[in-house]
Amino acid sequence: ETGVTQSPTHLIKTRGQQVTLRCSSQSGHNTVSWYQQALGQGPQFIFQYYREEENGRGNFPPRFSGLQFPNYSSELNVNALELDDSALYLCASSAQGAVETQYFGPGTRLLVL
Amino acid sequence: QQQVKQSPQSLIVQKGGISIINCAYENTAFDYFPWYQQFPGKGPALLIAIRPDVSEKKEGRFTISFNKSAKQFSLHIMDSQPGDSATYFCAAVGSGGGADGLTFGKGTHLIIQP
Repeated sequence: ETGVTQSPTHLIKTRGQQVTLRCSSQSGHNTVSWYQQALGQGPQFIFQYYREEENGRGNFPPRFSGLQFPNYSSELNVNALELDDSALYLCASSAQGAVETQYFGPGTRLLVL
Repeated sequence: QQQVKQSPQSLIVQKGGISIINCAYENTAFDYFPWYQQFPGKGPALLIAIRPDVSEKKEGRFTISFNKSAKQFSLHIMDSQPGDSATYFCAAVGSGGGADGLTFGKGTHLIIQP
């Protein structure tokens, strides 16, 4: 088990609603990345946070946003939920500049109805 | 645009056999190639990784073979065991500390039959 924790484990929302997912990084890690994993697919990179700022982003619309806090924990916010947002959302923490230290949390399963 | 192509989509191997999963990439800026193992209900776990300055890396029963000129890399699982049954993902990332994120293949569902 890694030291990366995520909450909640499961969540059900309806289309148009907003959702906030949370991640606590592994001790000693100052960088957090978020990924979306649709059923039967590989994870897709959403964005990365370092020093409380977004420093990398994948091909996701602006309604996907995030925050990183001084203790390096992070939130993923998704506005105006769509049915296709149903997925497993994974958080990964790492030391800055050391992708080989990246460890994933167990994920949050989001279902949008 | 899928930058990392993984095959096969599913694989059944007898216990004790060799499991082989292949990946091909397009972006020559990639310089770190990890493999992840994922069990149902869990996040991906790093299994083994390689950088393009070596052609092979072995850790226990797991070996990565890397062909830079062909832009291909593969995972070999020797003496496959039922506990190895999981979904395996290859991935790639460029230099820059991972700020551009890992690019994953679509995964291989591996079943080891007793």
